Amino acid sequence: GNSVTQMEGPVTLSEEAFLTINCTYTATGYPSLFWYVQYPGEGLQLLLKATKADDKGSNKGFEATYRKETTSFHLEKGSVQVSDSAVYFCALYGSSNTGKLIFGQGTTLQVKP
Amino acid sequence: ETGVTQTPRHLVMGMTNKKSLKCEQHLGHNAMYWYKQSAKKPLELMFVYNFKEQTENNSVPSRFSPECPNSSHLFLHLHTLQPEDSALYLCASSRQPLQGYPSGANVLTFGAGSRLTVL
Repeated sequence: GNSVTQMEGPVTLSEEAFLTINCTYTATGYPSLFWYVQYPGEGLQLLLKATKADDKGSNKGFEATYRKETTSFHLEKGSVQVSDSAVYFCALYGSSNTGKLIFGQGTTLQVKP
Repeated sequence: ETGVTQTPRHLVMGMTNKKSLKCEQHLGHNAMYWYKQSAKKPLELMFVYNFKEQTENNSVPSRFSPECPNSSHLFLHLHTLQPEDSALYLCASSRQPLQGYPSGANVLTFGAGSRLTVL
């Protein structure tokens, strides 16, 4: 079945450092891929998405490219801020046949000033 | 008020209590969901309601009982819970159901969650 694997956290960085959070997936067909972010005390909110291979999703300085050849959707940001401290979830939507949105376990990012 | 609103934000209950969690969305969405978020575990989908009808129950114990009186409101009734049920319970909604509709528009909007502690 479909699955999502994220790198384990916590990831601790200094402000202005480069961020990469790895996400790989297993799926049949052509899934859509998402990154959600959960700030402290809040629910999840969509950060970015990509619906087909080679698409790049971007938002708030974050980017992720849908790589079908490596089944990956790694999240990157060139210069993190303290306000980026949150839990990041990679998610996969397989198809409208099953209607399943599969989440990874989440990666905690801590950015220190 | 817009978005998905959950109440209460925090709830402490004993194992013999009966309580309810409430979720309300003002987005005109047609599908609503309950998720359970526990530490160091992936989000667990509990229930799905499409157009007010329950379409999914992911083997959730009967001590959790959902109710969807209309497309804007979703409840989770709790009774005789166990300490391991302590978690953050998240409500979400989407414009259309995830099943049977094109995926591009089916982004979930989440509430802030209800933090449940069972003593």
